[in-house]
Amino acid sequence: GQNIDQPTEMTATEGAIVQINCTYQTSGFNGLFWYQQHAGEAPTFLSYNVLDGLEEKGRFSSFLSRSKGYSYLLLKELQMKDSASYLCAVRGVRENTDKLIFGTGTRLQVFP
Amino acid sequence: EAQVTQNPRYLITVTGKKLTVTCSQNMNHEYMSWYRQDPGLGLRQIYYSMNVEVTDKGDVPEGYKVSRKEKRNFPLILESPSPNQTSLYFCASSPLAGFSSYEQYFGPGTRLTVT
Repeated sequence: GQNIDQPTEMTATEGAIVQINCTYQTSGFNGLFWYQQHAGEAPTFLSYNVLDGLEEKGRFSSFLSRSKGYSYLLLKELQMKDSASYLCAVRGVRENTDKLIFGTGTRLQVFP
Repeated sequence: EAQVTQNPRYLITVTGKKLTVTCSQNMNHEYMSWYRQDPGLGLRQIYYSMNVEVTDKGDVPEGYKVSRKEKRNFPLILESPSPNQTSLYFCASSPLAGFSSYEQYFGPGTRLTVT
């Protein structure tokens, strides 16, 4: 079956580093996305990984291990505005069609 | 400005009263999709379209219809809304070329309440 797991909630302190994990089991794999979603707003794209390794983009980095079905999003120098939900999404195959399958999201709260 | 727009943003309606949520994108994207988002369930795909006149069911299509008569528009139709369709709805689009690697651009969302 298709399954994406990520923690429901995390908390961290302003200025700190936080790692949000995502494990997945999907039929086929065509890439993994991370999106940020503030409450009541649209998801916005953060990163895309299709090969193993680390992709760095400013304060945010994303890692992928395809053999382990595992990814993480690393947020450095946390700011209050980073309080949001972070959605892991895998492009897999469902019913012979390329599909983007979302996890339920990790709600991150950043405290002063 | 490149964007996906949805209307209305908020809607309260009654059971059985047909409604349409519009979605429009100005990026000339071939692929468009509708999702609903419910607490604890994440984003679930309702319908998607690979191009004009090409639509297909997602994971939760029951109770919904779509059409794609023009490339830029992808309306979501609820013929007879029921309370279990109360949700936050998002429209999204992306280019088709190099499809797998492109992120989806999401509209601002439509919060629908069916009483």
